[in-house]
Amino acid sequence: EDQVTQSPEALRLQEGESSSLNCSYTVSGLRGLFWYRQDPGKGPEFLFTLYSAGEEKEKERLKATLTKKESFLHITAPKPEDSATYLCAVQALYNQGGKLIFGQGTELSVKP
Amino acid sequence: ETGVTQTPRHLVMGMTNKKSLKCEQHLGHNAMYWYKQSAKKPLELMFVYNFKEQTENNSVPSRFSPECPNSSHLFLHLHTLQPEDSALYLCASSQERAIGNEQFFGPGTRLTVL
Repeated sequence: EDQVTQSPEALRLQEGESSSLNCSYTVSGLRGLFWYRQDPGKGPEFLFTLYSAGEEKEKERLKATLTKKESFLHITAPKPEDSATYLCAVQALYNQGGKLIFGQGTELSVKP
Repeated sequence: ETGVTQTPRHLVMGMTNKKSLKCEQHLGHNAMYWYKQSAKKPLELMFVYNFKEQTENNSVPSRFSPECPNSSHLFLHLHTLQPEDSALYLCASSQERAIGNEQFFGPGTRLTVL
């Protein structure tokens, strides 16, 4: 069964304190792994797509990496505005209908 | 602004009411989705439409009825809902292709069933 597990469930950081969020996945052939950011009461905002092990993508203070079993979202010198829930999702090769399987998310809080 | 709009943003309804949620995408995509997001649970896919054809129904109860009149509009018709159906309902769209396709989400409709 395809599955996505994110850890930790919640993370509190001080401003400037770098850290990483983990997304472990099990899927029968990976078509793509996606990271989203979700603010309270809003829809998820697309951040990155990763397709194959070894791939990395960066955007401002965020960097996403991918291995055959997990993905990390590294946050360098976070600011309070980075506070949000970060969601990871996978899409399987066999699924041509676009179905995404989501993890439960990591709630990040960055204090000034 | 992601190019996906949803109305209404908030909805309170009784168990015997009938209401509809509307989603519109301005991105030229060919696939649209309905998701349910409950507190402390992962997003749950409900329905998928590709080129207006329903390609997936994720064991959703019949009190939820989707409609996709064209590739830009998607509706979710609601009737005789239960209190446990209270959740954030999210619409998304994507351009379906061979490689992984990013889905872009609307702001959601916060539904409360009394």
